[in-house]
Amino acid sequence: NAGVTQTPKFRILKIGQSMTLQCTQDMNHNYMYWYRQDPGMGLKLIYYSVGAGITDKGEVPNGYNVSRSTTEDFPLRLELAAPSQTSVYFCASSDISGSSYNEQFFGPGTRLTVL
Amino acid sequence: GNSVTQMEGPVTLSEEAFLTINCTYTATGYPSLFWYVQYPGEGLQLLLKATKADDKGSNKGFEATYRKETTSFHLEKGSVQVSDSAVYFCALSARAGTALIFGKGTTLSVSS
Repeated sequence: NAGVTQTPKFRILKIGQSMTLQCTQDMNHNYMYWYRQDPGMGLKLIYYSVGAGITDKGEVPNGYNVSRSTTEDFPLRLELAAPSQTSVYFCASSDISGSSYNEQFFGPGTRLTVL
Repeated sequence: GNSVTQMEGPVTLSEEAFLTINCTYTATGYPSLFWYVQYPGEGLQLLLKATKADDKGSNKGFEATYRKETTSFHLEKGSVQVSDSAVYFCALSARAGTALIFGKGTTLSVSS
């Protein structure tokens, strides 16, 4: 099991450029999440999905879009990059079986800088 | 709303010292509580969890007890090692399938 994988690991964007952060999990989890981590601020939820075809906004969704066409993949799209989107992005997934109770598994992160 | 507050860092200790990182929470109902650890340059890993009051989570010498009366989930370790240097996050889950609510993280630095 690879768990949760994310690509790329690092990226530098210019203001106004767009990109897609990829996230894939091989644990057959229904729930997937995107967080951003800013220094000293913990993690904040951007978007989440409860299954293929279903997505919803989190705490900080502005400037981002997501899709969930398969159980395994949950890409995050930045359409017009802004310096405020400089952050580390983490994808996570979880099951809701009684034994796990929402233990989330995290990918290694993507460090994005917008200049 | 739901929230998590953990002690500010950084926490600097010598090897074999006792560690406590305080965490308190605000939540309706009976949340699950977690401690995650983030080593430099890596993603978050679950360290331990507790799903109901008075549960004790433990792993790698770390422990935390779910105290509903004080709404706390303090992380402790009796003897820290240099390899424990990392950022520690306290988090709660209000119910299955919902996003985790994280504290701001506490940086631990252990020197030999």
